[in-house]
Amino acid sequence: EVQLVESGGGLVKPGGSLRLSCAASGFTFSPYSMNWVRQAPGKGLEWVSSISGRSSYIHYADSVKGRFTISRDNAKNSLYLQMNSLRAEDTAVYYCARSGYRNWGQGTLVTVSS
Amino acid sequence: DIQMTQSPSSLSASVGDRVTITCQASQAINNYLNWYQQKPGKAPNLLIYDASNLETGVPSRFSGSGSGTDFTFTISSLQPEDVATYYCQQYDDLPYTFGQGTKLEIK
Repeated sequence: EVQLVESGGGLVKPGGSLRLSCAASGFTFSPYSMNWVRQAPGKGLEWVSSISGRSSYIHYADSVKGRFTISRDNAKNSLYLQMNSLRAEDTAVYYCARSGYRNWGQGTLVTVSS
Repeated sequence: DIQMTQSPSSLSASVGDRVTITCQASQAINNYLNWYQQKPGKAPNLLIYDASNLETGVPSRFSGSGSGTDFTFTISSLQPEDVATYYCQQYDDLPYTFGQGTKLEIK
């Protein structure tokens, strides 16, 4: 069974940093592109970033470009999102999702507030 | 970026009703369109992919259609467990944009 488990969320002050992790299991991780999608409280879904299986192709939403960095460690079956210079508008539940979007994690809440 | 205009934003219908949600893309997306159901506190659940293909395990009362820029999601006979918010998403071109969502309630 495919499982994606996010961790690393929490409360951080504006301008601060946070690193999210997504632990994958139940499938061969390395061939699949992976994605981060977020959802602000009471709002819709927003695609954040994608990374190909070998990290050759990386893309970001304009709203996070230059502040967030996606990465992966195929040996550890893990996906990461390093978030720097956080803003109040980055407050959201962050989901990791496998390519095809059939499989999502349960999400981790990031709150940016002073 | 491709804009996805989803309507209506909310919808109230009776059990057994036929329910339709539309999604219009700002440019042709080669039928690279997903439909999701999201219940409160849960991750989105893929229902329809490639505009009209039913995901494995999804009840047949759910269906999708359309091509080019105009797409439709239909529930043929609304059930109480279908109360949720529904989203479309294009994956023809990055960023993979979502519609604004449709909140479906039982009348």
